[in-house]
Amino acid sequence: GEQVEQLPSILRVQEGSSASINCSYEDSASNYFPWYKQEPGENPKLIIDIRSNMERKQIQELIVLLDKKAKRFSLHITDTQPGDSAMYFCAASSGANTGKLTFGHGTILRVHP
Amino acid sequence: GPKVLQIPSHQIIDMGQMVTLNCDPVSNHLYFYWYKQILGQQMEFLVNFYNGKVMEKSKLFKDQFSVERPDGSYFTLKIQPTALEDSAVYFCASSLAWGADEQYFGPGTRLTVL
Repeated sequence: GEQVEQLPSILRVQEGSSASINCSYEDSASNYFPWYKQEPGENPKLIIDIRSNMERKQIQELIVLLDKKAKRFSLHITDTQPGDSAMYFCAASSGANTGKLTFGHGTILRVHP
Repeated sequence: GPKVLQIPSHQIIDMGQMVTLNCDPVSNHLYFYWYKQILGQQMEFLVNFYNGKVMEKSKLFKDQFSVERPDGSYFTLKIQPTALEDSAVYFCASSLAWGADEQYFGPGTRLTVL
């Protein structure tokens, strides 16, 4: 089945700088790649996603890039703020188009003032 | 935004007992999911459900697990009997469409099996 690798596991940045999280997947048929932000004790919240017919998507300070050939996708947060501190998960949809999401192991982002 | 509700938020039970976790999906969504999250780890897919049927399940979805949504009421996950390794947070999610569509997650039910 699909496997998703996510790096780094912990990321510390200064407020105002950029943060980047990288993920790779195995199933070349995967066609949907959401990113979720999860705060302690809360549910995962969808922050941005990208489908396989796109290479880049931006929503305000969030940028996602998708390289289908390399089977890699990444999240870039520009101008980080302390409120961006959280756990971030990437995910890839099942190539069988069943809606099953396979998640990466998560990245703890800490933005220091 | 769209909200998924889950009841209860916490459940503590003795090993071997039955437990039912309840999910109220987004009102116009048709596809429902359960994911399991052990503390500090990622969500892991258990099962998806549409039109009264399980469409896909993972190896984590043991024989002791079952799901249903009788007459459009709660989408439920039942575990009977429970085991110690079932302790986790269980998240329900729903989506409007199949496949590459946004899944909205509920707040989770923290299950502790003693």
